[in-house]
Amino acid sequence: AQRVTQPEKLLSVFKGAPVELKCNYSYSGSPELFWYVQYSRQRLQLLLRHISRESIKGFTADLNKGETSFHLKKPFAQEEDSAMYYCALSAGNQFYFGTGTSLTVIP
Amino acid sequence: DAGVTQSPTHLIKTRGQQVTLRCSPKSGHDTVSWYQQALGQGPQFIFQYYEEEERQRGNFPDRFSGHQFPNYSSELNVNALLLGDSALYLCASSADRRVYGYTFGSGTRLTVV
Repeated sequence: AQRVTQPEKLLSVFKGAPVELKCNYSYSGSPELFWYVQYSRQRLQLLLRHISRESIKGFTADLNKGETSFHLKKPFAQEEDSAMYYCALSAGNQFYFGTGTSLTVIP
Repeated sequence: DAGVTQSPTHLIKTRGQQVTLRCSPKSGHDTVSWYQQALGQGPQFIFQYYEEEERQRGNFPDRFSGHQFPNYSSELNVNALLLGDSALYLCASSADRRVYGYTFGSGTRLTVV
């Protein structure tokens, strides 16, 4: 069965420190993975998609099929990165979301 | 472009009643998906509409039904409301999900009392 696991519900880091938000998935097919972010009082918005291998707002995520992971990383956290982050797996026409990680960047 | 718009933003209903939520997709998007997000949880897929047909459905009872109109807008209907249906209902639209993922609306907060 398809599943997305985000093991950390809450994560706090100091400004300027590296940050890594973990995401593991289970899917028998070829995965399509995304990271979505929700800032306070705003709607869910797409942050990254693995197919594009891009860096957005300093964040990157690499798909590791061997470890079935798609961790989100940023070398130097900023206060404006504080938000809720969701990892999502596209399987067919369904999107499976993880339970989310709330990131707080401490000034 | 207003993106994905949902109405109403908030709604209070009594147990047993029926509710209809509405969604207008982003311009150029032809696929609409609905999600239920309970407090503290990630969004859960309800169903997806494409070309006015339900293309895929998640693990939700038949009390949840939908419709897509020729202009791609969509409705979510929930019958015989239960207290457990209280949640944020999100609509998302896409054109090519593989490349662009989905664009989400701000949601409708449904409270069942």
